Amino acid sequence: DVKVTQSSRYLVKRTGEKVFLECVQDMDHENMFWYRQDPGLGLRLIYFSYDVKMKEKGDIPEGYSVSREKKERFSLILESASTNQTSMYLCASSLPGQSGAGYNSPLHFGNGTRLTVT
Amino acid sequence: SQQGEEDPQALSIQEGENATMNCSYKTSINNLQWYRQNSGRGLVHLILIRSNEREKHSGRLRVTLDTSKKSSSLLITASRAADTASYFCATAPKAAGNKLTFGGGTRVLVKP
Repeated sequence: DVKVTQSSRYLVKRTGEKVFLECVQDMDHENMFWYRQDPGLGLRLIYFSYDVKMKEKGDIPEGYSVSREKKERFSLILESASTNQTSMYLCASSLPGQSGAGYNSPLHFGNGTRLTVT
Repeated sequence: SQQGEEDPQALSIQEGENATMNCSYKTSINNLQWYRQNSGRGLVHLILIRSNEREKHSGRLRVTLDTSKKSSSLLITASRAADTASYFCATAPKAAGNKLTFGGGTRVLVKP
């Protein structure tokens, strides 16, 4: 079974701090994704990566950056945390789809990191 | 607004009953996927149906897709308490770089 591991289940940070959320997958998947989940808004894509050192913006990239130095690891960085970034963050990985964007492949999710910014 | 919208937002049924939830979307898609999320956990993939398929089964799950109406349904038969979860549809719109877009989910409560 694919295992996607997020380094923290719960995280509390202060406004203005730089925050790193780490995600590791063990199935050699090319694609990795970061979503945030908020009540009533569903999951929204922040960034995704379909190869090492490659990244593409999702629907809500503002205030975030990502790093993918190794195939198995995808990091989400909040450059200067703000209270409106309080949310559940979900990492996922998948095999590539026909166009390399993973759209035909199921996503495998981690258990999420609940981030609170005070 | 979201590409996929689930209906109803919440559903409460007795164990043994069937649960049906619907997903509507706006634009042409390559495929539609259903996911389950238990409280406080990540999403788990349930089933993927391609745009040229009309129905798909997996155990107690039955998914239909009507591309003319831009809608899909997920049926859980003979529900169990363990089916209590939120269910999400996710679409891969052809016009959005084929990224998956998730709806807001249906919360299902199965009472023992």
